[in-house]
Amino acid sequence: TQLLEQSPQFLSIQEGENLTVYCNSSSVFSSLQWYRQEPGEGPVLLVTVVTGGEVKKLKRLTFQFGDARKDSSLHITAAQPGDTGLYLCAVNSGGSNYKLTFGKGTLLTVNP
Amino acid sequence: DADVTQTPRNRITKTGKRIMLECSQTKGHDRMYWYRQDPGLGLQLIYYSFDVKDINKGEISDGYSVSRQAQAKFSLSLESAIPNQTALYFCATSLTGYNEQFFGPGTRLTVL
Repeated sequence: TQLLEQSPQFLSIQEGENLTVYCNSSSVFSSLQWYRQEPGEGPVLLVTVVTGGEVKKLKRLTFQFGDARKDSSLHITAAQPGDTGLYLCAVNSGGSNYKLTFGKGTLLTVNP
Repeated sequence: DADVTQTPRNRITKTGKRIMLECSQTKGHDRMYWYRQDPGLGLQLIYYSFDVKDINKGEISDGYSVSRQAQAKFSLSLESAIPNQTALYFCATSLTGYNEQFFGPGTRLTVL
C-alpha cells in the first residue's frame, strides 16, 4: 500500500485555467512537503505545511494541510506554461531520522 | 552558489558492467541520499547516509552499493548493471534536524 496517494496522475490544461491536485493518506503526519520537478532537473521544495488546517500561499500557488493532517492540496490559479512539471508531495517517514517518503506525483502540463 | 552536483549526467552501458555515479555537495550538509526515479513510480530511496560512518539501506538497495568518501561526497555503484536498473538517479542532501532535501540535477542511466 502506497503511503501517499497523489491525484490526478496526469493533468493537461490550457494557460489561464485553475487546477487543484491532491495528496492523500490514511496516516497522520507531523508535516508535509510539496516539491516541483521541472523536466531535466531534480525536485525543488515549494513549501512545508505543519499545522492542521494550515494554508500557505506562494504567488499563484495555494497549499492546504488537512485538519487531521492526513492530506494536502495544491491549488494553482491562472496556470502558466512555466508551471509545467511534476508535483510531488513528501512526508517524514523516519521519525527523528527525517527520512522522506514521496508520492508518485502529478504530472502537470500547461499549454500556451 | 552552494550546490549539489552529479556526474555523469548521462550514461549508457551494457549488462554486466560496473558503473559508479558520483555526487558532490558544497552545502555543508551532513546527510546525503540516493534515489531512483522511474516513470509512474515516483522517487524510491536506495541508500542514505547521516554522516561519513553512518550508511543505511533504503527501500530498494539490492544490486547497489554506496561509499561516503567524505562529508561532501557520496557515490553509488552498480556492481553488475542489468537492464531494469535503467532509470533516473538523484542525489540529495539535507541538514540534520530539517526535513528539506536539496537535489542534484540527476543522472540518466541506460543499461542495454
